[in-house]
Amino acid sequence: DTEVTQTPKHLVMGMTNKKSLKCEQHMGHRAMYWYKQKAKKPPELMFVYSYEKLSINESVPSRFSPECPNSSLLNLHLHALQPEDSALYLCASSQDSSSGDTDTQYFGPGTRLTVL
Amino acid sequence: GDSVTQMEGPVTLSEEAFLTINCTYTATGYPSLFWYVQYPGEGLQLLLKATKADDKGSNKGFEATYRKETTSFHLEKGSVQVSDSAVYFCALAGGTSYGKLTFGQGTILTVHP
Repeated sequence: DTEVTQTPKHLVMGMTNKKSLKCEQHMGHRAMYWYKQKAKKPPELMFVYSYEKLSINESVPSRFSPECPNSSLLNLHLHALQPEDSALYLCASSQDSSSGDTDTQYFGPGTRLTVL
Repeated sequence: GDSVTQMEGPVTLSEEAFLTINCTYTATGYPSLFWYVQYPGEGLQLLLKATKADDKGSNKGFEATYRKETTSFHLEKGSVQVSDSAVYFCALAGGTSYGKLTFGQGTILTVHP
C-alpha cells in the first residue's frame, strides 16, 4: 500500500479565515513533506518533517504553519492567506530524509486551495 | 547544486506513436532518478525509478535507463494511448540535496485518437 490521503480535496477561503489541511499515511514512513504547486509547474518544497521534527523550512511565510502530531499525520494550518497562495497543495511521505539515502517520495492527491 | 532539465513541451502525438521525453541532470554523488506523472486534476504518481547507473526502470509500458556517462534518464514508450495524456516530471533525489526532490520543469503530453 503506497497511499497518502489528503483532506479536503477542495478548499475556498477568504483572506481572514483560518483553515487546516490534513495529510495521512500508514506506510510507516518517518519523513513527510508539504509542497505547493502552481498550474503547469513542478511542485515547490515548503516543509520537511523527519521523525516528527521539522527539518527543512524553505523560507515559507508564517501564514503557513505546519504541524506533525504523530508519525502518520501532517497538518498545514493556514491563516491570513493572500490570493497568490491559491494553488494545489501536495503532501508526500518517504521512509527517511535524514540518513542521506535516496528515498522515493509518495504523493497524495492534493488539496486545491482558492483564496478569495 | 542539483538540477534537472527536461525537453520543452508540449508534446502532441497520435495514438500508437513512439514517445521519447528527454531528461538530463546535474548532481554530485550517485542520485536516484525518477519519473512522476500527473494526470489532470490529480497529484503526482510515481511512474518509475532507477537508483544506480545502467538500471532500467519500467512500468505500464514506459521505460527509462539511468545513463551516468551522459547524465540522462530519458523516458520512452513504444505505443502511447490517449490515456497517457498527462504532465511528466523527471526528478532526482540525493546528490547534494539530502531529503529533497529536484524536479524538471515538466513536459505536457497530449495524445490524440
